[in-house]
Formats: sequence, structure tokens, C-alpha cells
Amino acid sequence: DTGVSQNPRHKITKRGQNVTFRCDPISEHNRLYWYRQTLGQGPEFLTYFQNEAQLEKSRLLSDRFSAERPKGSFSTLEIQRTEQGDSAMYLCASSLQQGAGYTFGSGTRLTVV
Amino acid sequence: QKEVEQNSGPLSVPEGAIASLNCTYSDRGSQSFFWYRQYSGKSPELIMFIYSNGDKEDGRFTAQLNKASQYVSLLIRDSQPSDSATYLCAVMNTGFQKLVFGTGTRLLVSP
Repeated sequence: DTGVSQNPRHKITKRGQNVTFRCDPISEHNRLYWYRQTLGQGPEFLTYFQNEAQLEKSRLLSDRFSAERPKGSFSTLEIQRTEQGDSAMYLCASSLQQGAGYTFGSGTRLTVV
Repeated sequence: QKEVEQNSGPLSVPEGAIASLNCTYSDRGSQSFFWYRQYSGKSPELIMFIYSNGDKEDGRFTAQLNKASQYVSLLIRDSQPSDSATYLCAVMNTGFQKLVFGTGTRLLVSP
């Protein structure tokens, strides 16, 4: 396990559909983060987990967004009733300990048409 | 005021020159500072981190931190065309909970 894995790499969906993304962190990393990035902007924090506990959620994360990390391993991010404004790159990252830099996955690019 | 501010650029430098990238932050309690490089269409890649005031060198890269001025910079010596990318400054917020990113500075190194 040499990095953070995200699937799918690309997702095109119709407005109103639900989508789910998966992130597999580096195996020994207990902290997992989700960020969203739009063109010309830096990554924006969405939520993070320490092991299986979701410790913080951004105000950006509306009720249509939900994230889970069962058993403290992989994580899923689900968006319900997608809107065109949800189109972005969704980045997952993990870190070994509090205060350490993150390793990012390749991201999932979502396009809502 | 944004939490982390960077000039969006582009910053254009000729090959072999020193590129200087700057970042300011608003959370005076921040303790850890990171520079990420992001190529177009790719995810961010960690290149440097710094925790203490002063300079930290790693190869052609030098990170500089001045906590009193709430200022972080990244110097790239002997810039190469392959250094052309967006450089993201990231600050670990008080409590070490999460990284807050700037919007990034686009660097263009011309041959």
C-alpha cells in the first residue's frame, strides 16, 4: 500500500442523482480528510475522521452530504440529489498523526450535468 | 480576511532564476506550515513543511517562516520548466485539527 486510493477517478451524473465516492487511505494512517477543490481555488475542508469517529464537518457540508468511515479503514462520501454547484474535484487525504502533513489521493472529478 | 492568502499569479521566471512565493495567514496560533505543489489536473503533493521561525532548506527549496509577521515563503532556486505548477500554502489551524489552504500561486518557468 503505497498511497491514498480514490475511486472512481471521474464521475458524470445527472442533476438530482446520488453519487458515492470511496477513499482508501494509507493503511497505518488513522486520520482521513475530505476536501473539495474547484478551478482556481485551493482545497476546501469538508470533514475529517480519526479512526472511525467523524470529528469535524465544515459548514460547506450541507445535509445532502454524508461521510462514513466504518471500522476506521476506507471512507465513503455520498452526495444526494446532486446539483450543478457540486461539480468539483473531491480530494481525500490521510495522515499518520495530528499536526502532520497530508498525503492526497488522485481525487474524484465530479461533473453534474 | 481570508485565513490563508496568496497572490494567484501567474509568477513568471526564466529558467535558472529564483522563484519566490509568498503566503500570509490570519490565525496567530497556527503552528505548522506546509507547501504543496499541484500540477494541472493532478492532486496536491507535499514538498516542504516548517514549524519554527527561520529558514528550512531541502535541495532547491527553502521555506521561510516569520510567525511575528504571520508570513511564510517558499524559494525555489535554479528554477526549471518542470517546476511550473500551482503552489499551495497550507496552515495547520490552532489545535492541529486540519489544514487550511490558500488559493495557490501559479508559477511559470520559461526555458
